[in-house]
Amino acid sequence: EDKVVQSPLSLVVHEGDTVTLNCSYEVTNFRSLLWYKQEKKAPTFLFMLTSSGIEKKSGRLSSILDKKELFSILNITATQTGDSAVYLCAVFNQGGKLIFGQGTELSVKP
Amino acid sequence: DVKVTQSSRYLVKRTGEKVFLECVQDMDHENMFWYRQDPGLGLRLIYFSYDVKMKEKGDIPEGYSVSREKKERFSLILESASTNQTSMYLCASRSPSFADTQYFGPGTRLTVL
Repeated sequence: EDKVVQSPLSLVVHEGDTVTLNCSYEVTNFRSLLWYKQEKKAPTFLFMLTSSGIEKKSGRLSSILDKKELFSILNITATQTGDSAVYLCAVFNQGGKLIFGQGTELSVKP
Repeated sequence: DVKVTQSSRYLVKRTGEKVFLECVQDMDHENMFWYRQDPGLGLRLIYFSYDVKMKEKGDIPEGYSVSREKKERFSLILESASTNQTSMYLCASRSPSFADTQYFGPGTRLTVL
């Protein structure tokens, strides 16, 4: 059965800290891995990763995929209170189905 | 600008009521999805639709049905609401193109009393 597991499930840090969120997967016929940020509304798209070892970067956020070890990490540097959210990892399988992890709830304290 | 809208942000219903959740997208996407989101369980797929009048069961279809009469609209129906269907419901749409991501609506928080 296809599965996506995120860790930790929740995290509390202080402004300025760097955080690393983890996503591991077991999916038949992997196509791509997506990261979303969800505040108190709809998930918003952050990154899509398809190739191993190529870092995607957007401001203070970056992500990388390891297709051999079947995981991805999402890094946030110099965290701000506005980074507080649930971060979702999801994997597309060849059938076009998007399988979500449980999410990591990040809380950034001032 | 990409837009997926849902008919209600918050909804309170009683056990046994029939509930309709509406989702509309303006991107001419073929694929549409209904998820529910519960703490600790992530997003779970209820039903999806590849095109008009086509529907497929997701991982947790029990107690739900769907309707897709027009391309832009995908409805989720709770035939007889129960308290264990209290949840956040998220609609999404996407193009079947590999490069496209999935766009989400704002969600409907449904409480069944």
